[in-house]
Amino acid sequence: GAVVSQHPSRVICKSGTSVKIECRSLDFQATTMFWYRQFPKQSLMLMATSNEGSKATYEQGVEKDKFLINHASLTLSTLTVTSAHPEDSSFYICSARDRVKETQYFGPGTRLLVL
Amino acid sequence: QKEVEQDPGPLSVPEGAIVSLNCTYSNSAFQYFMWYRQYSRKGPELLMYTYSSGNKEDGRFTAQVDKSSKYISLFIRDSQPSDSATYLCAMTPGAGSYQLTFGKGTKLSVIP
Repeated sequence: GAVVSQHPSRVICKSGTSVKIECRSLDFQATTMFWYRQFPKQSLMLMATSNEGSKATYEQGVEKDKFLINHASLTLSTLTVTSAHPEDSSFYICSARDRVKETQYFGPGTRLLVL
Repeated sequence: QKEVEQDPGPLSVPEGAIVSLNCTYSNSAFQYFMWYRQYSRKGPELLMYTYSSGNKEDGRFTAQVDKSSKYISLFIRDSQPSDSATYLCAMTPGAGSYQLTFGKGTKLSVIP
């Protein structure tokens, strides 16, 4: 299957700082990528849909000014958590859409801990 | 009623058993159906992908879709301890509406 990478895999930061997470599709072009958040023992919660060259679409309840998404190329989307707080600590996972199969391939996830 | 219902388990089976995982859904527009496997602290891995109704087999895994009953299944034959993970069903209408709707996931443990 297709490969999607995420970097970093784990990050610890102080409250008030900003953290950038990168998501790359390694072997196919992804015009659409998705950002999810997952709390322990819960399913994936879609945060936003990222379209190459245009503004991201955020799900209800997700603050667009706090979670900045940039999809500048067909293989890279970034999520920046601005002014992070301890309640932002979570597992963030990106996925890239395969337009042919109408499915998504997921990255390995980034574990964020805000102290 | 939630769009996709999936029994969260946990489900424990002995090694070698046949495992049956299921999801039901309410949206008749769903056309594409997927099963993902997620190990602890990892991103989901696509296991099986099916378009519309029917069966699909890949090694020890068989996916079934019954659109008339709005019911999908994943069967794992000769289960192994390495199959221990959370299994998520997902589906989408496709045709321009490509966001996935997930089940909550079923936690499976295969006991040696």
